[in-house]
Amino acid sequence: GAVVSQHPSWVICKSGTSVKIECRSLDFQATTMFWYRQFPKQSLMLMATSNEGSKATYEQGVEKDKFLINHASLTLSTLTVTSAHPEDSSFYICSARDLRGQGNEKLFFGSGTQLSVL
Amino acid sequence: QKEVEQDPGPLSVPEGAIVSLNCTYSNSAFQYFMWYRQYSRKGPELLMYTYSSGNKEDGRFTAQVDKSSKYISLFIRDSQPSDSATYLCAMSSGAQKLVFGQGTRLTINP
Repeated sequence: GAVVSQHPSWVICKSGTSVKIECRSLDFQATTMFWYRQFPKQSLMLMATSNEGSKATYEQGVEKDKFLINHASLTLSTLTVTSAHPEDSSFYICSARDLRGQGNEKLFFGSGTQLSVL
Repeated sequence: QKEVEQDPGPLSVPEGAIVSLNCTYSNSAFQYFMWYRQYSRKGPELLMYTYSSGNKEDGRFTAQVDKSSKYISLFIRDSQPSDSATYLCAMSSGAQKLVFGQGTRLTINP
């Protein structure tokens, strides 16, 4: 399957600082990437859809000024958690669709980033 | 009512047992069905992908889709301790978004 790389895998930061998470599609181009958030023992919650060359689409209740998304190239999307607070501590996961060939509804996920805000 | 319902478990079975995991859904427009496996603190890994109704087999894994009942299943044969993980069903109508179940936590006991 397609490979999606996500960095860092974990990060600890002080309250009030900003954290950037990178998501790269390694062997395919992704015009659309998705950012999810996951709390312990819960399912994935879609935060936003990242579109290459245009503004991201945010789900209801997700603050776009808080979670800045940039999708500047066909292989890279970034999520920046601005002025992070302890309630932002969570597991963040990116994903992308490989549109080559059949079965392009499949989503491939990065390895996730555990954010802990002190 | 959630669009996709999945029993969160936990489910614990002995090694070698056949495991049955299930999801029900309410949106009849769903046509693409997937099962993901997620280990703790890792991203989900795609296990099975099925379009419309029917069965699909891949090694020890079999996915079944019954669109008339709005019910999908994942069977794991000869279960191994390494199969211990959370299993998430996911489905889509072909529009952009994938809808996930809550995930079932599975433990295979040696």
